Amino acid sequence: DAGVIQSPRHEVTEMGQEVTLRCKPISGHDYLFWYRQTMMRGLELLIYFNNNVPIDDSGMPEDRFSAKMPNASFSTLKIQPSEPRDSAVYFCASSPLAGGPLSYNEQFFGPGTRLTVL
Amino acid sequence: KQEVTQIPAALSVPEGENLVLNCSFTDSAIYNLQWFRQDPGKGLTSLLLIQSSQREQTSGRLNASLDKSSGRSTLYIAASQPGDSATYLCAVSHSQGGSEKLVFGKGTKLTVNP
Repeated sequence: DAGVIQSPRHEVTEMGQEVTLRCKPISGHDYLFWYRQTMMRGLELLIYFNNNVPIDDSGMPEDRFSAKMPNASFSTLKIQPSEPRDSAVYFCASSPLAGGPLSYNEQFFGPGTRLTVL
Repeated sequence: KQEVTQIPAALSVPEGENLVLNCSFTDSAIYNLQWFRQDPGKGLTSLLLIQSSQREQTSGRLNASLDKSSGRSTLYIAASQPGDSATYLCAVSHSQGGSEKLVFGKGTKLTVNP
């Protein structure tokens, strides 16, 4: 298995531009998570999906952020318009449903997308 | 609000030394606690997961303990090697707002010197 795949690995854009980050979870995993990591705040959960349905988006910082999961093998995180304070590494993770609650399941992380907004 | 703290933020040790990384959390009502490893420019790799009903987990040279009542966990690394150099993060899974979430500490950056 190739693991969780994220693209692009690096993104540099100018303030005000739209940014779209992409994620392909591990096949068969029912949960997909988007995280943001910064030096100041560490790793923060933005949103997660179960079977393509958003379950909790309370971590999404502002209306400029949106996430979709149109099918079981693809998810996007969009920032529009982008701002310099959005600069961070964005991680996608997926987790299987092993017949128990989410809390018992290991999360598998992608390599991340390093976003720089100038 | 659940908060996770890791001390120290950075640690440098000579090869072969046994070491302990610390993690504390403010709300003891957790489902589990996980230790992750993060290499520079890479994602996170899960090392050990301890369920709330467990006291410890072991994998090779790694041993993680959990004292839920005091809100503490330790990750013990035996006979450290340069390849252990990485940032180690702990995270607790708990219920917040009706859903389960992982809350991460900011990590301990470990350097093992040959």
